[in-house]
Amino acid sequence: DQQVKQNSPSLSVQEGRISILNCDYTNSMFDYFLWYKKYPAEGPTFLISISSIKDKNEDGRFTVFLNKSAKHLSLHIVPSQPGDSAVYFCAASAGTYKYIFGTGTRLKVLA
Amino acid sequence: DVKVTQSSRYLVKRTGEKVFLECVQDMDHENMFWYRQDPGLGLRLIYFSYDVKMKEKGDIPEGYSVSREKKERFSLILESASTNQTSMYLCASSTGGGNYGYTFGSGTRLTVV
Repeated sequence: DQQVKQNSPSLSVQEGRISILNCDYTNSMFDYFLWYKKYPAEGPTFLISISSIKDKNEDGRFTVFLNKSAKHLSLHIVPSQPGDSAVYFCAASAGTYKYIFGTGTRLKVLA
Repeated sequence: DVKVTQSSRYLVKRTGEKVFLECVQDMDHENMFWYRQDPGLGLRLIYFSYDVKMKEKGDIPEGYSVSREKKERFSLILESASTNQTSMYLCASSTGGGNYGYTFGSGTRLTVV
């Protein structure tokens, strides 16, 4: 049973446009969410986080939105750059140190 | 710069071999994790440890064991490697509770032939 789902395995976006990556979850006890970016042959690197007491968190070109009633979060990248091409994972935790990861979305930013 | 170091980037092993994957962190983190990443399946937790000599099974522990004799080192052991264990293995560490994410190593690409 997949508690964290990323239903789009891939996404292509033109350089300079907005990239929107989506993540759905089923466990209402999740209270902290992370996004990671992964390049091939490298480990994932932390991108941005959000606590369940917020509905938005922004860091430069990256913004994460949380809709608790819909159990949905999204990552917006504006403007998208070719270097953003990577696999993006969302992850969720229910107040513990253990995170559950989604299946990932491969973003391709076209120059 | 804080680091999680995995001893090998690429490994090729034969079916039936006992395989050791080593992971060392220099951040004095309490928690350490082993994940495997497969296309379409994301990151799946194999085992984790929240203290020296403590370990807990993750979602897919079958065919694996772990060892944590020292705080900084967490080893993943494939008792008898099989072809379905060909994967990218990722080690991670973290401190504290849920507000702290993981720091990942660079990964080990294991191929079992």
